[in-house]
Amino acid sequence: GNSVTQMEGPVTLSEEAFLTINCTYTATGYPSLFWYVQYPGEGLQLLLKATKADDKGSNKGFEATYRKETTSFHLEKGSVQVSDSAVYFCALSVPGGYSTLTFGKGTMLLVSP
Amino acid sequence: DTAVSQTPKYLVTQMGNDKSIKCEQNLGHDTMYWYKQDSKKFLKIMFSYNNKELIINETVPNRFSPKSPDKAHLNLHINSLELGDSAVYFCASSPPRAETQYFGPGTRLLVL
Repeated sequence: GNSVTQMEGPVTLSEEAFLTINCTYTATGYPSLFWYVQYPGEGLQLLLKATKADDKGSNKGFEATYRKETTSFHLEKGSVQVSDSAVYFCALSVPGGYSTLTFGKGTMLLVSP
Repeated sequence: DTAVSQTPKYLVTQMGNDKSIKCEQNLGHDTMYWYKQDSKKFLKIMFSYNNKELIINETVPNRFSPKSPDKAHLNLHINSLELGDSAVYFCASSPPRAETQYFGPGTRLLVL
């Protein structure tokens, strides 16, 4: 089956620190990979995605590269802000038919001034 | 001009009651979903409808019954509520056979 494993949180950083949130996956096909972000009290928003190996998704200073050889899609940001405090979800979708998202358990990020 | 909206935002009720949560999307998408997020933030798909037809029904108690009156709406009715049903329920939508999903703001259900 399909599964996504994320590093456990919370991840606590000071403003302007470098962020990495690890994500690895197993899939029964060639998945597309996603990072969603959930700000406090809100629904999930798509942050970035990549649909094939070596693709890099990027948005709002966040980046993640689809690494097929290591089955990973780690999220990085060079300099975090307080406003980045949220829960980050790694997810995959296997194309074909009516695909659904398989989510990791989420990683809470807390950024202090 | 909210893309995916849910009502109510908060729902507090007693065990044994029956309640409904409504979801509407104005994105013109054909596919809609219900997810449950537990207290540890874990998200799990419950149902998916495509053009008013049920296409995914995960292992969910039959006390949960989704209803799609048209492709812009997907409501969730829950009978005989239990303490374990307390969670945040998210509705989402996507274009047909597309992978990117758009989420509503969530309905926070608390069963006392």
